[in-house]
Amino acid sequence: EDQVTQSPEALRLQEGESSSLNCSYTVSGLRGLFWYRQDPGKGPEFLFTLYSAGEEKEKERLKATLTKKESFLHITAPKPEDSATYLCAVRGGTSYGKLTFGQGTILTVHP
Amino acid sequence: ETGVTQTPRHLVMGMTNKKSLKCEQHLGHNAMYWYKQSAKKPLELMFVYSLEERVENNSVPSRFSPECPNSSHLFLHLHTLQPEDSALYLCASSQGIGTSGGYEQYFGPGTRLTVT
Repeated sequence: EDQVTQSPEALRLQEGESSSLNCSYTVSGLRGLFWYRQDPGKGPEFLFTLYSAGEEKEKERLKATLTKKESFLHITAPKPEDSATYLCAVRGGTSYGKLTFGQGTILTVHP
Repeated sequence: ETGVTQTPRHLVMGMTNKKSLKCEQHLGHNAMYWYKQSAKKPLELMFVYSLEERVENNSVPSRFSPECPNSSHLFLHLHTLQPEDSALYLCASSQGIGTSGGYEQYFGPGTRLTVT
């Protein structure tokens, strides 16, 4: 069974203080690792897909990386508007369409 | 309308009521999904539809009944719910479900359901 564990559960940063979120996973035949951002009262917003170890993707202050066992979401010089819950999910090769999600990391950036 | 829309945004229902949630995607996708998001728990996949055919039913109680009349619309019919069914119900869509690609899923804003 696919499993995803995210850490930390919550992270408080000062504006401009860079940090990383972790997503550890076990999956049978990785077909994709996905990062989403979710604001309170809204649905998850797609950020990145990573397919293979060594792959990296960037978007503004966010950079996602992937190894065979975990993914990191690096946040460089965060701003208060980056405050949200960040979700990690994996898709294995055994179930069509199914994403297995972690519990998320609640990020708060203080001005 | 753009993206994935869901109605209603909020719903309060008694345990003996029957109600339906509606989802519509404007992305030209071929697959649609229902997820449940409860407090302190990860998103749980409930149902997957590909080209209007249900391909996965993730051990969901029969009081939840999905319907996909075409590739743009998805419904979740609710009856005889329990208080523990109170949650945020999210609809998503993707280009496909095949194993060859990542097929990112795009989510709607959700319906906040409260069962009293």
